[in-house]
Amino acid sequence: DIVMTQSPDSLAVSLGERAAINCKSSQSVLYSSNNKNYLAWYQQKPGQPPKLLIYWASTRESGVPDRFIGSGSGTDFTLTISSLQAADVAVYYCQQYHSTPFTFGQGTKVEIK
Amino acid sequence: QLQLQESGPGLVKPSETLSLTCTVSGGSISSSSYYWGWIRQPPGKGLEWIGSIYYSGSTSYNPSLKSRVTISVDTSKNQFSLKLRSVTAADTAVYYCTKSRRGLNWFDPWGQGTLVTVSS
Repeated sequence: DIVMTQSPDSLAVSLGERAAINCKSSQSVLYSSNNKNYLAWYQQKPGQPPKLLIYWASTRESGVPDRFIGSGSGTDFTLTISSLQAADVAVYYCQQYHSTPFTFGQGTKVEIK
Repeated sequence: QLQLQESGPGLVKPSETLSLTCTVSGGSISSSSYYWGWIRQPPGKGLEWIGSIYYSGSTSYNPSLKSRVTISVDTSKNQFSLKLRSVTAADTAVYYCTKSRRGLNWFDPWGQGTLVTVSS
């Protein structure tokens, strides 16, 4: 299984400031045949299901604000919220879909400082 | 727009079988583009992929649960189902149904989820 490890487990950021969440996979999720990273990011607010934010490591889902930026390749990825808004308070998960079993990071809780 | 809704008992006794159904609306479960899956989340914890099924009945399961899991599809009702046998307290979780695509296995959309508690 590919193990996904996120850091930090939680972070508190002031409104309007930048938040960065890291995700590391135990093996590369990059397919050389198409040069795509099989990595997605989700946002989960309390009492709600996860919401897809980003796929292919950096492609924003339709309707997702452009302050959410995905980056990275191979085994190291980052989700950056460029200017934190109150609505962004949530737990964020990365997920690899390179191979089964599909696996998620343990989650990173983002709060307002 | 595609919507998914889980249904089933919220309480299951230890050693019994957990059974859930996901009803798909706003689209056909028989679409050749989609896979239909189950993901669970123990209270206060992270997400675990349980398995997925294609409308033809082809399945893929998480090896950690494979010996106890069956996912099936009923195209006439636009539903797919999860059975998890021999449950213990460790199977207490919110169970989500969701959709992905072949080779594009991110999950979207998700049902609202249903909490299943395993307790006597």
